[in-house]
Amino acid sequence: GQNIDQPTEMTATEGAIVQINCTYQTSGFNGLFWYQQHAGEAPTFLSYNVLDGLEEKGRFSSFLSRSKGYSYLLLKELQMKDSASYLCAVIGGGGYNKLIFGAGTRLAVHP
Amino acid sequence: GAGVSQSPSNKVTEKGKDVELRCDPISGHTALYWYRQSLGQGLEFLIYFQGNSAPDKSGLPSDRFSAERTGGSVSTLTIQRTQQEDSAVYLCASSLEEVRGSYEQYFGPGTRLTVT
Repeated sequence: GQNIDQPTEMTATEGAIVQINCTYQTSGFNGLFWYQQHAGEAPTFLSYNVLDGLEEKGRFSSFLSRSKGYSYLLLKELQMKDSASYLCAVIGGGGYNKLIFGAGTRLAVHP
Repeated sequence: GAGVSQSPSNKVTEKGKDVELRCDPISGHTALYWYRQSLGQGLEFLIYFQGNSAPDKSGLPSDRFSAERTGGSVSTLTIQRTQQEDSAVYLCASSLEEVRGSYEQYFGPGTRLTVT
């Protein structure tokens, strides 16, 4: 079966660092995406990992370990506008076309 | 440039009625996807188009759901005899099949469907 797990909710303080974890079990793997979704809006692309290691992009970094079926999204210097849902998604199942999404992690950033 | 657009943004319909949801992908994007997001749930894959053909319809939840794409561009998702459990946000996404070695999908704003 296909399964993607991430925490339901997290809270953090403005200016701090937060790590959102994602574990996956899929019948194939062709890459992992992180998307950000503000309430009532469309998901927007944050990162893509297909090889093991860390990808850094400004305040956001994403890490992948294929052998462990594990990824995390690291957000540094948190801002209030980072309050959103963060969606982990895997291209799996042997196809290059279908994203399998986790339920998302709602992050609340407090002053 | 223009992003993915969807219409209507909101649709309220009575149980048993048919609805049509429209998606205009980014110009030049060959791949188009439909997803459904129910309240508090993750995005659920419905169907994938490559050009006008749909090689993967595995996510359509029942035969009341159908979709088509014409001219390799606009797509319509049709739900017949709507049920209350069809209430959700329907999201469309498009992609160049390969962008910088990734498969980034660009999402539209969604159509919020409410079946009363």
